[in-house]
Amino acid sequence: GAVVSQHPSWVICKSGTSVKIECRSLDFQATTMFWYRQFPKQSLMLMATSNEGSKATYEQGVEKDKFLINHASLTLSTLTVTSAHPEDSSFYICSAGRRDGYTFGSGTRLTVV
Amino acid sequence: DAKTTQPNSMESNEEEPVHLPCNHSTISGTDYIHWYRQLPSQGPEYVIHGLTSNVNNRMASLAIAEDRKSSTLILHRATLRDAAVYYCIRVSSYKLIFGSGTRLLVRP
Repeated sequence: GAVVSQHPSWVICKSGTSVKIECRSLDFQATTMFWYRQFPKQSLMLMATSNEGSKATYEQGVEKDKFLINHASLTLSTLTVTSAHPEDSSFYICSAGRRDGYTFGSGTRLTVV
Repeated sequence: DAKTTQPNSMESNEEEPVHLPCNHSTISGTDYIHWYRQLPSQGPEYVIHGLTSNVNNRMASLAIAEDRKSSTLILHRATLRDAAVYYCIRVSSYKLIFGSGTRLLVRP
């Protein structure tokens, strides 16, 4: 079945630094990927749609300069949290769509200290 | 509003069937209905999806109302591993917009 690999699974960084999260579709090509954020005991919130070879589309209220998305190939999308602050600590999840449904990565837990 | 309405939580006994309801009264004719489930600290897992007809797969069945304003996910024999948060999602413009989901508790 379709597999989406997300790396790293967890990361701790210092306030003010940047963190990059990778999302790879291992056995299929994904022209579109999605990035979500999930706070404890809450549902997933869609942050942006990542399009291969073009700019990402951000949901209302999501700062595009803070959450940089790059989708340079059909199998890789990256999310960079720039100048991270403690309030950016969250569970970040990517997904990719196929005809038989959407596949999600295992998530990245980001803790900013 | 692309969100759906689900009960916050439900309980079931192990090896009994579970019917998880979902209301999507404003669904449009081209929106698919998807179901995903999520275990703690994991990404969501695809369960099933459909458009108009009832659907079956190895994990579950999806019963869609004739007017498409509601649907029910059916787990035929709940196991302890089925304990998770279940999300019913209207897929509009290829985007998955998650609602609050139903937390399913399975009693041994």
